[in-house]
Amino acid sequence: QKEVEQNSGPLSVPEGAIASLNCTYSDRGSQSFFWYRQYSGKSPELIMFIYSNGDKEDGRFTAQLNKASQYVSLLIRDSQPSDSATYLCAVNKPAGTALIFGKGTTLSVSS
Amino acid sequence: SQTIHQWPATLVQPVGSPLSLECTVEGTSNPNLYWYRQAAGRGLQLLFYSVGIGQISSEVPQNLSASRPQDRQFILSSKKLLLSDSGFYLCAWRVSSYNSPLHFGNGTRLTVT
Repeated sequence: QKEVEQNSGPLSVPEGAIASLNCTYSDRGSQSFFWYRQYSGKSPELIMFIYSNGDKEDGRFTAQLNKASQYVSLLIRDSQPSDSATYLCAVNKPAGTALIFGKGTTLSVSS
Repeated sequence: SQTIHQWPATLVQPVGSPLSLECTVEGTSNPNLYWYRQAAGRGLQLLFYSVGIGQISSEVPQNLSASRPQDRQFILSSKKLLLSDSGFYLCAWRVSSYNSPLHFGNGTRLTVT
């Protein structure tokens, strides 16, 4: 089982819709979770992070964490064409000092 | 504010040639430093990380090495490049706090020919 798994996509949504991106992780002891956005040819940039079960909102973005199910998601409301990118889920391993990344989900928002 | 500098932005090297990529961080002290590689169509692979000067942890055995000669300087090296070393190399830092996020440099696109 891979440590961090994401559907590769592409996930296609129309402009204004809600995009839902999902991520599962294998290590039950993981404590911190991160979402990054990566445009083609660019480096990843941090969107938000979440440590506690439940929802965390930041503007149009909402991260959701369910540690019992080992599941973290990112919702993007009112999706815009500029949101078209690859979204990377990252997990901090319990005993490690580095983040482990999923392969990313490609999101395409059509106008 | 903190900034991370990584160079060069692009590099084309022949097989068997040496490699040196450099990364520096400004505006913070004693950061944790990282090298990741992203091959075409693949995820981010952790190569090395460092929690202090001279302290290097290797995650993947390969022909690459890393060094941290100064607190905010991290260098990725190879004596002889392989075709499989092509990829997008990313340096990153974070404060030495367990749950803090990573911040990436702009990356180096390496093509080995």
